[in-house]
Amino acid sequence: SQQGEEDPQALSIQEGENATMNCSYKTSINNLQWYRQNSGRGLVHLILIRSNEREKHSGRLRVTLDTSKKSSSLLITASRAADTASYFCATTSGYSTLTFGKGTMLLVSP
Amino acid sequence: DSGVTQTPKHLITATGQRVTLRCSPRSGDLSVYWYQQSLDQGLQFLIQYYNGEERAKGNILERFSAQQFPDLHSELNLSSLELGDSALYFCASSGNTGNQPQHFGDGTRLSIL
Repeated sequence: SQQGEEDPQALSIQEGENATMNCSYKTSINNLQWYRQNSGRGLVHLILIRSNEREKHSGRLRVTLDTSKKSSSLLITASRAADTASYFCATTSGYSTLTFGKGTMLLVSP
Repeated sequence: DSGVTQTPKHLITATGQRVTLRCSPRSGDLSVYWYQQSLDQGLQFLIQYYNGEERAKGNILERFSAQQFPDLHSELNLSSLELGDSALYFCASSGNTGNQPQHFGDGTRLSIL
């Protein structure tokens, strides 16, 4: 079953613009993670934010977590064509297994 | 390169058959996870092993089974295959604490004809 729901399902922007993706989840969590998947390839871990953290940065990535609203957002600044991929949020609660959302497909045009 | 190796990359077989997917985790990782990705179900957790023992079970069918060997590699066995089993099967590994990222292999694409 899906825990998270990403929004939007698809996003198309120009290079240099910022991309924001949102994720909502249903149950309490230990942490929330964002992954990227290029077409037909494995998932690449981007960032992990613990339930007691509110914001985290990694390079051009900024993740926020609002546990009261059970939501998270991923901001990619100054997007590049190479950022074109599907982005998934995933939560862990109890065990360390991941429960994924359905993903956001990001297209960055040159 | 995630350090997680999955073989084979592609499998084409027929309904009713049995296949085995193999995964070698990243060096030092004790946990291995199996996930299934399909268009209609998305990414679904199947099963987790930790240091040779089953740790957690997800949406894994009774026709599917897995094990982790003493050298920590893992195999996922799928039997009595049905058309709906066509999917990408991913293996991931992580360290032994909960707040760690998982590292994914490139997957095995299973096609049932």
